[in-house]
Amino acid sequence: EAQVTQNPRYLITVTGKKLTVTCSQNMNHEYMSWYRQDPGLGLRQIYYSMNVEVTDKGDVPEGYKVSRKEKRNFPLILESPSPNQTSLYFCASRNFPGLAGEQYFGPGTRLTVT
Amino acid sequence: SQQGEEDPQALSIQEGENATMNCSYKTSINNLQWYRQNSGRGLVHLILIRSNEREKHSGRLRVTLDTSKKSSSLLITASRAADTASYFCATDVPGSGGSNYKLTFGKGTLLTVNP
Repeated sequence: EAQVTQNPRYLITVTGKKLTVTCSQNMNHEYMSWYRQDPGLGLRQIYYSMNVEVTDKGDVPEGYKVSRKEKRNFPLILESPSPNQTSLYFCASRNFPGLAGEQYFGPGTRLTVT
Repeated sequence: SQQGEEDPQALSIQEGENATMNCSYKTSINNLQWYRQNSGRGLVHLILIRSNEREKHSGRLRVTLDTSKKSSSLLITASRAADTASYFCATDVPGSGGSNYKLTFGKGTLLTVNP
């Protein structure tokens, strides 16, 4: 089954404690990205990756890092989380846009930073 | 600024009625997509319409696209309580070498279908 998986699904942490949210897709997609979703602000892209070792900033990259060492994995790293990073996070993947098509989303990670 | 903006922000109807949601956008697009999100869950792709298409159907869904007005509509016919969800339009804009081929999402329409 084609899918994007994220872990953990729920996470409560404290300010400053480094954390990683994992993301994996099994569709051999080149393009992967991370979004955060906040009430009234919609979905905003944090980082994206066009392929292995190719990553770049989205609209709201501050306070986040990513890496793309393998095609299937695209972890999101919060080196020093702060309360304003409390949000619902989604990983997504799609074929290289030259082929156009739908984007597949993971189930989401609800992060609370206290 | 948002590329896609849905209207209305919220819509409440009775089961069996039709639901229409609209999306307006600002720049040229390759295609426009509609997604559904059940509360707190991941977004699920519903339908894609390309810039050279005017109408597309999928089951109870009908999507129209008017590139001259930069607008699209999603019609759900004979709605069911299970259609209760948020619906988002996403625009896929032409990219150039090295640019971000991202989908840009609107803020969504919250549809409530009452039994």
